Amino acid sequence: EVQLVQSGAEVKKPGESLKISCKGSGYSFTSYWIGWVRQMPGKGLEWMGIIYLGDSDTRYSPSFQGQVTISADKSISTAYLQWSSLKASDTAMYYCARGVVPAAYDAFDIWGQGTMVTVSS
Amino acid sequence: SSELTQDPAVSVASGQTVRITCQGDSLRGYYASWYQQKPGQAPVLVIYGKNNRPSGIPDRFSGSSSGNTASLTITGARAEDEADYYCNSRDSSGNHLLFGGGTKLTVL
Repeated sequence: EVQLVQSGAEVKKPGESLKISCKGSGYSFTSYWIGWVRQMPGKGLEWMGIIYLGDSDTRYSPSFQGQVTISADKSISTAYLQWSSLKASDTAMYYCARGVVPAAYDAFDIWGQGTMVTVSS
Repeated sequence: SSELTQDPAVSVASGQTVRITCQGDSLRGYYASWYQQKPGQAPVLVIYGKNNRPSGIPDRFSGSSSGNTASLTITGARAEDEADYYCNSRDSSGNHLLFGGGTKLTVL
């Protein structure tokens, strides 16, 4: 079964760092793009950035450039989303998703279950 | 501009046909994909490319495009289609992705 499994919910304080993960299985991990999507409580979906696991080509949406780091470890089929200093406004559900066809990022068909990040003092 | 615009809410009587639209300059050069999201669930891809449905998506869902507007059509809407629908495409540069603001579909 093709699936993405994300790490569990996190509760952090402002200023703390965090790295959440997204592990792929059931397919050739390095052939696809993985994207990260933010959904703030009660709000819509926002693309944060995408990474191609073949060569680690990473593209950040302008709103998130410099705010987060997207990376991957091909050896364990896992993509990551990282913050160096969380803010309360980072409280949201974060989803990872896989491109529907190899080497393309126009649509994403496999989604992780989401990781809820709560940042509160 | 690098934006995708959707109507915030649309309603349809059960069994009728509904069209959800997405407008944006980038749609003149790139296809839209469409996602369904129900409360508390991850999004589900329902249409991508010219008019492709992933496995398991009913054929009452279809997509089309004309000029700067992409459309998702549900022919014979059912109660289980009630959800938020988001369009997605590239921005005008082609290097970044955008979502529309989402359309809340109510099936009456």
